[in-house]
Amino acid sequence: QVTLRESGPALVKPTQTLTLTCTFSGFSLTTRKMCVSWIRQPPGKALEWLALIDWDDDKYYSTSLKTRLTISKDTSKNQVVLTMTNIDPVDTATYYCARRISARPYDSWGQGTLVTVSS
Amino acid sequence: EIVVAQSPATLSVSPGERATLSCRASQSVSSNLAWYQQKPGQAPRLLIYGASTRAPGVPGRFSGSGSGTEFTLTISSLQSEDFASYCCQQYNDWPHTFAQGTKLEIK
Repeated sequence: QVTLRESGPALVKPTQTLTLTCTFSGFSLTTRKMCVSWIRQPPGKALEWLALIDWDDDKYYSTSLKTRLTISKDTSKNQVVLTMTNIDPVDTATYYCARRISARPYDSWGQGTLVTVSS
Repeated sequence: EIVVAQSPATLSVSPGERATLSCRASQSVSSNLAWYQQKPGQAPRLLIYGASTRAPGVPGRFSGSGSGTEFTLTISSLQSEDFASYCCQQYNDWPHTFAQGTKLEIK
């Protein structure tokens, strides 16, 4: 059974750096074709794809956010970490992590974690 | 970056009737298009991938079609649990962009 769970701060101040952790089970990021992505959704708005890391440590980023995002993995802990620098209130959203098997879309999602950016 | 546009933004349909949602990509995504269902307070759920393949456990009343730039999700006979938001996503090219979504409401 594949599960993913997001964790991180619920409240962040503007200009700070946000660090989110996705802890997963039921698969390994050392297995060929496995990938984990971060996707966010501002309240009442659409989903926005942020970043992805694959089994081979290749990384892909949102065009508009790539200068602020870093994705990394710790295969020994079954974790993927996303950092976002220079946080702004417009970054307030529910942040999801999701699994992808290469050439397929996102078949398993975490429950999401709401991050509010406010001073 | 590939832009994916979805229509309509809101669709009001009576239970038992058919619902048709559309997605259009700004350039060809081949068949690399997925549909997701999302209910309030829940994560998205994968319904369709490869434009027309149902994900495991998805009822047969959901069907997808299209290729290239034009895609359709059809729900043949709406059940109460189908009233939710739906969103398409292209995964043919980086970044994997989502459309704005359709809210399916009870008429």
